[in-house]
Amino acid sequence: DARVTQTPRHKVTEMGQEVTMRCQPILGHNTVFWYRQTMMQGLELLAYFRNRAPLDDSGMPKDRFSAEMPDATLATLKIQPSEPRDSAVYFCASGLGTGTKFEQFFGPGTRLTVL
Amino acid sequence: QQPVQSPQAVILREGEDAVINCSSSKALYSVHWYRQKHGEAPVFLMILLKGGEQKGHEKISASFNEKKQQSSLYLTASQLSYSGTYFCGTDYAGNMLTFGGGTRLMVKP
Repeated sequence: DARVTQTPRHKVTEMGQEVTMRCQPILGHNTVFWYRQTMMQGLELLAYFRNRAPLDDSGMPKDRFSAEMPDATLATLKIQPSEPRDSAVYFCASGLGTGTKFEQFFGPGTRLTVL
Repeated sequence: QQPVQSPQAVILREGEDAVINCSSSKALYSVHWYRQKHGEAPVFLMILLKGGEQKGHEKISASFNEKKQQSSLYLTASQLSYSGTYFCGTDYAGNMLTFGGGTRLMVKP
């Protein structure tokens, strides 16, 4: 049963600390997305990769957020320094295809709390 | 631009039907529907593509009016398991999704 995995599942940190979230996409999927979900803003796309190349990160605050795919089995989202307004659930999703003509499989999410 | 979903919330009794709408102010390339249960990740339901192609579950139906830039999700003979928040995701340029604010559906016995 292929699934997207994310670590950690929960993270509590203090303002100013660095946070790194990891995602393992489903083997063979060529597209990876990072989303952030909050009650106020809903589900927002932060960045996405196709074949490990970043295609769009316009939804991401560039001064503190960075996303990378060091290899096909790992995507990372880093926040440095973290702020209380970054508190949210961060989802990674993966899929196989081009454009958006394919199902996105979401991971269980990382619930981040910044104090 | 975020698509607008309506209604924001709906309560049903088991067996009743519901329609959830998703409207965009811009021309759409495709519309995706996902359901999210509390504390869980969104789960794929359906994709509707420009030109009429659909991909999704057999028991879920939806429509895509390209001229009106609208999509509707039809939930018939609702079951308790249908409860959750439904999101539409719209694609304007063939590359990424913008999700609506969600419609919260509660099915009661």
